[in-house]
Amino acid sequence: DGGITQSPKYLFRKEGQNVTLSCEQNLNHDAMYWYRQDPGQGLRLIYYSQIVNDFQKGDIAEGYSVSREKKESFPLTVTSAQKNPTAFYLCASSTTDRAIYSNQPQHFGDGTRLSIL
Amino acid sequence: GQQVMQIPQYQHVQEGEDFTTYCNSSTTLSNIQWYKQRPGGHPVFLIQLVKSGEVKKQKRLTFQFGEAKKNSSLHITATQTTDVGTYFCAGRGYGGSQGNLIFGKGTKLSVKP
Repeated sequence: DGGITQSPKYLFRKEGQNVTLSCEQNLNHDAMYWYRQDPGQGLRLIYYSQIVNDFQKGDIAEGYSVSREKKESFPLTVTSAQKNPTAFYLCASSTTDRAIYSNQPQHFGDGTRLSIL
Repeated sequence: GQQVMQIPQYQHVQEGEDFTTYCNSSTTLSNIQWYKQRPGGHPVFLIQLVKSGEVKKQKRLTFQFGEAKKNSSLHITATQTTDVGTYFCAGRGYGGSQGNLIFGKGTKLSVKP
């Protein structure tokens, strides 16, 4: 079945440590996204990528980094510079629409819950 | 920057009652999407509205996009326990970049049997 796989499901970070969250999709989607979800805050965009080897900062990119070396993969690194990393992280993907003001439905993974030790 | 406000934050209803959540944007939207997130799950796409004044229905769910394309609503008729979850709207303004959807904070619906 096609879908998005996020791993691990739960992750614990020590002070000063960088951690990487995995996101893989086999939907052949060009666009991929990382969101952070906090209770009562909805989803906030961290980074997104419309095509391989290119990505853009979202609204809350500070303390995070990404790479997009393959179409299927969009890993997110939570660096030690992110002082409040405890949250639920969601990865999503979509096709891209050539119409400039259009958006395609986003398909989400099951998420990674990150906590501080 | 662009903001998308969603109300109410919580709604508790008796099974069979109707439910409505409202979404308002600070700027004109090019389109708006609605998602549902079940407890412990991930958001699932429900629908996209693009045209001014557009109304779309999915069984007991009715979605509307305002004439000015700055507000939207989701109405559920005769709620069922399967409707439980958080409903999010997400939109993009004409000034926004292609991939950047702005999500509302969501309305959490609970249904008492």
